[in-house]
Amino acid sequence: DIQMTQSPSSMSVSLGDTVTITCRASQDVGIYVNWFQQKPGKSPRRMIYRATNLADGVPSRFSGSRSGSDYSLTISSLESEDVADYHCLQYDEYPNTFGAGTKLELK
Amino acid sequence: EVQLVESGGGLVQPGRSLKLSCAASGFTFSNYYMAWVRQAPKKGLEWVATISTSGSRTYYPDSVKGRFTISRDNAKSSLYLQMNSLKSEDTATYYCAREVALDYWGQGVMVTVSS
Repeated sequence: DIQMTQSPSSMSVSLGDTVTITCRASQDVGIYVNWFQQKPGKSPRRMIYRATNLADGVPSRFSGSRSGSDYSLTISSLESEDVADYHCLQYDEYPNTFGAGTKLELK
Repeated sequence: EVQLVESGGGLVQPGRSLKLSCAASGFTFSNYYMAWVRQAPKKGLEWVATISTSGSRTYYPDSVKGRFTISRDNAKSSLYLQMNSLKSEDTATYYCAREVALDYWGQGVMVTVSS
């Protein structure tokens, strides 16, 4: 199975920060990585698809990038509504696998 | 507007069965793969099953293979998850989601496996 090693597991952030979360894939998954945002008690929301594409309605301060087997989600100028959990997913190969998640908390 | 509404959750004893349903609307259901994803309390997301458009192909992780069965009724725009031989570690919120890429999610339904 492909492992998605997500880091950090949690991050203390301030409004206006630039935040980067990374997932490292244990095998080649190409562009088939998505990023999801999840707020407490809510369903996940797709933010980035195919590694670098912004999903509909997602603010432009969110971006996705890839460097080899490392996939990153970056939030520029963090706003209060961005404080949430974030999850990466690889869907290149079954079993599809998620990273362990990153929890953003305000300082 | 894409809508996915799960139902059928609840409290069930270990070893028993439960069937979840997901009613889809706002898109042509028969054109899309569909999936189930779960989240144990205070834990991360875990992919549970995916089914092809016709239902002829299904995919599962080892953790549920042989116990869970995903199915669909395209005439009713409905997705199902039959869960047998339930274990305490199956306790989670179960979400149905559209497409392999999980572009839309339902609100989730809680399943608690406990005696």
